[in-house]
Order: sequence, then structure tokens, then C-alpha cells
Amino acid sequence: SQQGEEDPQALSIQEGENATMNCSYKTSINNLQWYRQNSGRGLVHLILIRSNEREKHSGRLRVTLDTSKKSSSLLITASRAADTASYFCATDAWNSGYALNFGKGTSLLVTP
Amino acid sequence: GAGVSQTPSNKVTEKGKYVELRCDPISGHTALYWYRQSLGQGPEFLIYFQGTGAADDSGLPNDRFFAVRPEGSVSTLKIQRTERGDSAVYLCASRLATNTGELFFGEGSRLTVL
Repeated sequence: SQQGEEDPQALSIQEGENATMNCSYKTSINNLQWYRQNSGRGLVHLILIRSNEREKHSGRLRVTLDTSKKSSSLLITASRAADTASYFCATDAWNSGYALNFGKGTSLLVTP
Repeated sequence: GAGVSQTPSNKVTEKGKYVELRCDPISGHTALYWYRQSLGQGPEFLIYFQGTGAADDSGLPNDRFFAVRPEGSVSTLKIQRTERGDSAVYLCASRLATNTGELFFGEGSRLTVL
């Protein structure tokens, strides 16, 4: 089953703007991960945030986690056309047997 | 190899045929996962292995699907009596251990059942 739900389903912005994607989930987690997928390719890991962390940065990426609301957000700052891809959150939990559960993703289009 | 390798990259078959999809994980990764992804959807969990054993096969849709990992490295996903609804991209991923860390994905095997 797919636990994470990303919002919005699709996002279109111009280069230089910031892109924010949200993820909501249903059960307790050990960590939450964000992945990127270019069209026709496999998924690539972006960032992992543990359940006891509230914010994490990696380059132009900023991830927040609110376990009380069971939600996370991914912010991409100063977006580039090369950021065009689908972005997925995935939850990792001992009580789901460590089978990472992915959401349906947000499709991001960054136009020059 | 340097990454997760999946073969074939594309497979076209006829309804009712048997199909095998292969995954060669990153060396030393004990955990191996199979996912299925339909167009416009996120990866859907099928099964994962810890070593040679299937630790969780709750995502396999029915008994036509089966997977093995006999030596704790390469895994094969087997689909019997394929149906058109089986058409999807089958993704394999591995990670160092079951309960932590990022997944490393292969490029996937695109299965088309005519």
C-alpha cells in the first residue's frame, strides 16, 4: 500500500523560483526519505530525515518533518530546468516491516 | 558492479506467457526490494529479501508472482501466465541493511504484455 501522499500532484514554475512539495503519511515512522525520478529512469535518493529530526539541508534542498502532523515538505531553492522530474516521499518504519512505502509523487516542471 | 543492474531493460510478451526479470544488486547489500510502477504512479512495493529469505512478500498481487534470491545476491522476479494488467516497470532496489539507509534503484525492467 502507498502510505505517503504528495501534494501537489503537479507543479510548474520558472527557473530561479522555489518549489515546495508536501508529503503526508498515516503511521509512525523511523525515517522519511525523498527521491527524484527523471522520466523513464530509476529513482535517485535525495535526502533522509529521521523521526527525531525536524529539519535537514542538502545543497539547494531543505526538508522539514512534523511528526505530530505526520507531514514533511521538500523545498528546492533557486530551481533549474534540470530539476524537472517527479519527486516521491517514502516512509520507512519498523511496523511496516521496513518495506519503504512510496507516495504517488509530485511532477515538477521548471521552465527556462 | 557499481550500481543495481536490471535485465532485460524491456520485455514484450504475449498474454499467458512466463516472464523472468533479473536484478543484480550492489555488492554487499543484504536487503533487496522489488517494486512495480505504473504510469503516473509511485512505486508499489512487491517483496523484499533480507539475505536469501523473503522477509516480506505481502505486496505480491497474487500467486502468479514469485521471487527468489537463492545465494543472497542476484534476485529473479518470476511472473506466470502474464496478463495485460501486469504491464508496468518493475524496479529493483538494494540497500546495505534492512532497517536503515537509502535505497539504490536500478533503471527498471519495462514489461509489456500484449
